Amino acid sequence: DAGVTQSPTHLIKTRGQQVTLRCSPKSGHDTVSWYQQALGQGPQFIFQYYEEEERQRGNFPDRFSGHQFPNYSSELNVNALLLGDSALYLCASSGLAGVTGELFFGEGSRLTVL
Amino acid sequence: AQSVSQHNHHVILSEAASLELGCNYSYGGTVNLFWYVQYPGQHLQLLLKYFSGDPLVKGIKGFEAEFIKSKFSFNLRKPSVQWSDTAEYFCAARSGAGSYQLTFGKGTKLSVIP
Repeated sequence: DAGVTQSPTHLIKTRGQQVTLRCSPKSGHDTVSWYQQALGQGPQFIFQYYEEEERQRGNFPDRFSGHQFPNYSSELNVNALLLGDSALYLCASSGLAGVTGELFFGEGSRLTVL
Repeated sequence: AQSVSQHNHHVILSEAASLELGCNYSYGGTVNLFWYVQYPGQHLQLLLKYFSGDPLVKGIKGFEAEFIKSKFSFNLRKPSVQWSDTAEYFCAARSGAGSYQLTFGKGTKLSVIP
C-alpha cells in the first residue's frame, strides 16, 4: 500500500520564480494538507484541501496557492519566490475528511531558493 | 495566537533510562493533542493522540503521554528507552472546535546512547 508520495524531492529555484510541488495521498484518503518546515522548526500549516476546495488556511500569503484534483492528489504553488521560502514542504493526507486529525506525511520536497 | 512549546531542544540518554519530554500548549477550550515522531531518514508518523476521556494515553512502542488540563501540558514518557528510539519528537495541538490545522512545536531531538 503506497503511502503519501511527493515530487520532486529536491529542487533549486531563484528569487522571483514560481514552483509547483505535487502530492499523491495515501490510498483511501480524501484530505490533503500542506506544511512548511524551516530548518530547526516544526511543520507550519499552510492549508488543507477537501472535496477539491481549500477548507482552511494558515498564516501564509496569497503567493501560496493550491489545488486538489478529483483523484484527491494535490499541488502546492508558490509564486514570486523569496529566499525565506527555502524549506521542506510536507504533504500530509488523512481519511474520513480529516476529522480524526491523524496525518500521514510524505517525505517532503526540499526547496532551495537562491 | 495558539502555540505549542517543547522545552528541550536535544536530549541525550543512555539505553534503559527513563524519558520525559515536555510539551505545553496555549489553546483555550477543547483541544486535541498529538505526538509525532520522525526516525532518521523516515517521514513523520503518529506516536499517539488524545481527544477526550482517560488523560493517560498509550501509543506505539511503549510510549505514553499524560494530558494535564490545569497545566496545559501533554508530556511524553517512556520508562526505558532503546537505541532505536533515537529520533525527533514533535508535539502538536489542534483546537477541538472544528479546526483542521495542527500547530506543531519545534521538536525535541532524542539521542539514545547504547
